[in-house]
Amino acid sequence: EVQLLESGGGLVQPGDSLRLSCAASGLTFSSYVMTWVRQAPGKGLDWVSGISPSVGTTYYADSVRGRFTISRDNSKNTLYLQMNSLRVDDTAVYYCAKKMGGSWNLDYWGQGTLVTVSS
Amino acid sequence: QSALTQPRSVSGSPGQSVTISCTGTSSDVGDYNYVSWYQQHPGKAPKLMIYDVTKRPSGVPDRFSGSKSGNTASLAISGLQAEDEADYYCCSYAGSYTWLFGGGTKLTVL
Repeated sequence: EVQLLESGGGLVQPGDSLRLSCAASGLTFSSYVMTWVRQAPGKGLDWVSGISPSVGTTYYADSVRGRFTISRDNSKNTLYLQMNSLRVDDTAVYYCAKKMGGSWNLDYWGQGTLVTVSS
Repeated sequence: QSALTQPRSVSGSPGQSVTISCTGTSSDVGDYNYVSWYQQHPGKAPKLMIYDVTKRPSGVPDRFSGSKSGNTASLAISGLQAEDEADYYCCSYAGSYTWLFGGGTKLTVL
């Protein structure tokens, strides 16, 4: 069974940094595109970033480009999101999600980790 | 890119059918057959209900169905049940490892 488990969320101040992790199990992690999707309180889903399986090519939403960095360690089956220069509007539950094999849909999601940016 | 457009809410009585629309552009919904739908209950992670416009993952009841015409995709739910009450989000692949979500639709089972 595929499981994705996020960690690293918490309460930080504007301008601070935070690193999220997503530990994957039950899949050949190195074979899949992985993504981060966030959901602000009471709001909809918002794609944040994606990373290719092996070479590690990265992609970002305009709202986070230059501040967030996605990476992965295939030897540890772990996805990361380094978030710098955090803003109040980055407050959200952050989910990691796996791209489906053979199709460009996101099939498995973690339970999410809450990031709160507040002074 | 702007979010896909969904109605904010829909409602129906048990046993009835409802349809949720999702309108994008020729660069996302209209360009790719990679539209998916997610069900989200309060405090829970999104659950994949439909992928590749019309396909259902194993375990999803056949009361849920998807379709697409041009730049608009739709999710139909027949035989409404109380447990279907949730938020529903559409999603379209938009190229270059990016995805676009709809704003979400709250389904109320009366």
